[in-house]
Amino acid sequence: AQRVTQPEKLLSVFKGAPVELKCNYSYSGSPELFWYVQYSRQRLQLLLRHISRESIKGFTADLNKGETSFHLKKPFAQEEDSAMYYCALRQGGSEKLVFGKGTKLTVNP
Amino acid sequence: DTGVSQNPRHKITKRGQNVTFRCDPISEHNRLYWYRQTLGQGPEFLTYFQNEAQLEKSRLLSDRFSAERPKGSFSTLEIQRTEQGDSAMYLCASSLVQGWAFFGQGTRLTVV
Repeated sequence: AQRVTQPEKLLSVFKGAPVELKCNYSYSGSPELFWYVQYSRQRLQLLLRHISRESIKGFTADLNKGETSFHLKKPFAQEEDSAMYYCALRQGGSEKLVFGKGTKLTVNP
Repeated sequence: DTGVSQNPRHKITKRGQNVTFRCDPISEHNRLYWYRQTLGQGPEFLTYFQNEAQLEKSRLLSDRFSAERPKGSFSTLEIQRTEQGDSAMYLCASSLVQGWAFFGQGTRLTVV
């Protein structure tokens, strides 16, 4: 069965520091990977998709099939990046998203 | 607000009672999803509709749970004979593109 693991429940960095939120997955096929973000008192929203290969709000994520990882990175964290981040996987042939447990990122001034 | 709308936002019910939640998706979205989220966990998939057809159901969706999307627009999720373990945030989402889901703010259910 597919599984998404986010090993860090909490991550705290200072403003301007690099940040990396880890995501590992287990799935035998070719998955589609996503990062969703939930800011305080807001709804869950899509941040980026691996197939788009785009940078959103300075964040990037590269799918590494060898390491089965999809880590989210930003070179210079901002206070407004503080939020809950969820990694999610969609397997081919299904509409279901499988989410990790999330990482709460706090960017300190 | 033209996003996904869920009602009610909060529901407190006694164990054994039935509850129904409503979701109004973004109007042009043909895909609609229900997820459940408990404290410290990510959202867990419950079911998926494409238009009015329910095409995927999770094993989490026991026979006490039923979801409908009668005209391919709004959807309802009913839980019969609620149990304390049903206490959770119930999230609805809609989309046009696979995986790119727009979530509602959720209905928080507390079973006492």
